[in-house]
Amino acid sequence: GAGVSQSPSNKVTEKGKDVELRCDPISGHTALYWYRQRLGQGLEFLIYFQGNSAPDKSGLPSDRFSAERTGESVSTLTIQRTQQEDSAVYLCASSRSTFGTERETQYFGPGTRLLVL
Amino acid sequence: SQKIEQNSEALNIQEGKTATLTCNYTNYSPAYLQWYRQDPGRGPVFLLLIRENEKEKRKERLKVTFDTTLKQSLFHITASQPADSATYLCALRGDNQGGKLIFGQGTELSVKP
Repeated sequence: GAGVSQSPSNKVTEKGKDVELRCDPISGHTALYWYRQRLGQGLEFLIYFQGNSAPDKSGLPSDRFSAERTGESVSTLTIQRTQQEDSAVYLCASSRSTFGTERETQYFGPGTRLLVL
Repeated sequence: SQKIEQNSEALNIQEGKTATLTCNYTNYSPAYLQWYRQDPGRGPVFLLLIRENEKEKRKERLKVTFDTTLKQSLFHITASQPADSATYLCALRGDNQGGKLIFGQGTELSVKP
């Protein structure tokens, strides 16, 4: 596609429910990143994929958070048993690679706004 | 611990003036630093990258400086326009081999006509 797309654009859920957030990266981009942005804050790194592998999961806040990527394309971020503190914008980005100069520009999607009531 | 700080207060300037935004970092030796623009309800958009061995980088009305001794980057927008109003984020590449970026909290810029 022309850019990174994310769905849904908005999600309202009740505390304790599971949610799945989807990211479609730019075609051909092998690297994919998930970030979280709380209101008025900067971006907080969650996880990145090179291909279908996730070498760095260090930013995942707890074991309620997981992500997977298939076909070196679509990625899904799953939050189980959501809590109110999970409310934030979840941003996905992709880049051509995670190696060398091709990792340097990350292209972001519009984000999914998650509200946990 | 590693920390990146940007002006927390919004910056309000008059159209035509130069806007200067600051990014300071501690406990970090980044290979490069990036600046992104973020409009409300949108994801960040890449603007400029400056490497540790570069002092200054320019792109049209944008200029970035990088002082690894002071651990500081300055981002300038000359001849500012109301369309430049947005939040500007600085980001440093993490120490691992991936493209993980560490972001500052952003500075909101408002350019008044």
